[in-house]
Amino acid sequence: DAKTTQPPSMDCAEGRAANLPCNHSTISGNEYVYWYRQIHSQGPQYIIHGLKNNETNEMASLIITEDRKSSTLILPHATLRDTAVYYCIVRVIMNRDDKIIFGKGTRLHILP
Amino acid sequence: NAGVTQTPKFQVLKTGQSMTLQCAQDMNHNSMYWYRQDPGMGLRLIYYSASEGTTDKGEVPNGYNVSRLNKREFSLRLESAAPSQTSVYFCASSHETVNYGYTFGSGTRLTVV
Repeated sequence: DAKTTQPPSMDCAEGRAANLPCNHSTISGNEYVYWYRQIHSQGPQYIIHGLKNNETNEMASLIITEDRKSSTLILPHATLRDTAVYYCIVRVIMNRDDKIIFGKGTRLHILP
Repeated sequence: NAGVTQTPKFQVLKTGQSMTLQCAQDMNHNSMYWYRQDPGMGLRLIYYSASEGTTDKGEVPNGYNVSRLNKREFSLRLESAAPSQTSVYFCASSHETVNYGYTFGSGTRLTVV
């Protein structure tokens, strides 16, 4: 089973920041938080990942709480092209038995 | 640099027919994966391969077989297709020692009638 919990859907106005929450209360010390998104029926696309520090790249920012039991993906200026399903995943890297289990994700609707 | 390439992109099978879905990656990744995605659902892991010569079952392996032909290629075979296997199939690859996510292919849309 997926080890994360996300709201099934969210709306965000175009141009505003989209904040997508994720709970991972059973995360282990060696598990990273990864975010992917899937636009329409395309293959999922990697967005960002982090262990315990906040991370930022050209696509998004990732805020992880100090206890690591939850995180928030931030799309700073959402556009219509950000309409997608967003998946929050925990993953152990440097692990020979590396596999990720997807949950149901959050369907983000960007409203014009 | 093509990334992960899946063939075919679309396929219609009759119940009981067999077929093999092909996947190849050119990123020198050790690990490869097969997922299926039913309409309106998330992705479910079918099989994965941590390295050439090894394969392991995922969440929903029944009705499928896989072959890790070499480091680049990982195929998924349906021996006797059933309507319940109608789905979109995604192949992915990763390097577990690199701080990047999985790279996914564009998918194979399979319909079993």
